[in-house]
Amino acid sequence: NAGVTQTPKFRVLKTGQSMTLLCAQDMNHEYMYWYRQDPGMGLRLIHYSVGEGTTAKGEVPDGYNVSRLKKQNFLLGLESAAPSQTSVYFCASIPRWGQETQYFGPGTRLLVL
Amino acid sequence: AQSVTQPDIHITVSEGASLELRCNYSYGATPYLFWYVQSPGQGLQLLLKYFSGDTLVQGIKGFEAEFKRSQSSFNLRKPSVHWSDAAEYFCAVGDGNQKVTFGTGTKLQVIP
Repeated sequence: NAGVTQTPKFRVLKTGQSMTLLCAQDMNHEYMYWYRQDPGMGLRLIHYSVGEGTTAKGEVPDGYNVSRLKKQNFLLGLESAAPSQTSVYFCASIPRWGQETQYFGPGTRLLVL
Repeated sequence: AQSVTQPDIHITVSEGASLELRCNYSYGATPYLFWYVQSPGQGLQLLLKYFSGDTLVQGIKGFEAEFKRSQSSFNLRKPSVHWSDAAEYFCAVGDGNQKVTFGTGTKLQVIP
């Protein structure tokens, strides 16, 4: 198993550009999450999914959209990037709620100029 | 909505000394609780977790945590800190809606 992978690892965007971050897991996990990590603020939940075809908002969803068309993939989209979205983005997945913890991806570092 | 508070932003301890990192949560029911560690530039590693049962949880690297419902706390402890324990530690809580919320972290510095 490759575990949880994130693509790309690093990206520089200009303000107003769009991009999609891909999170993929090959472990048949039901639940998937997108977080952003900023200094002094810990990890903040952006959106999450409790199964294929479902999405839900987290703490800081504004400016982001997500899709989970396939169980193994969870996409995070930035339609019009802003400097405030400069961050490290982590994806995580859980196989079954209440029995196991989150498996994290390695992170995507995004810089918006 | 649940929340997690880690009141200590930065803690410094001497190598060999004991350690306790505080974590308080706000949630109406029994939460799922986690502690993670993150070294600079790295991802998150799970130290331990609590779902149910024994309120004293043993984790990796000699860490333990105790769930105290009356105090809404899940403090992390280690009897003797090693220099390699220097990192940032995050407490997290999971709720009935399958959301997992993290605290803002505590940075641990270990001095010789």
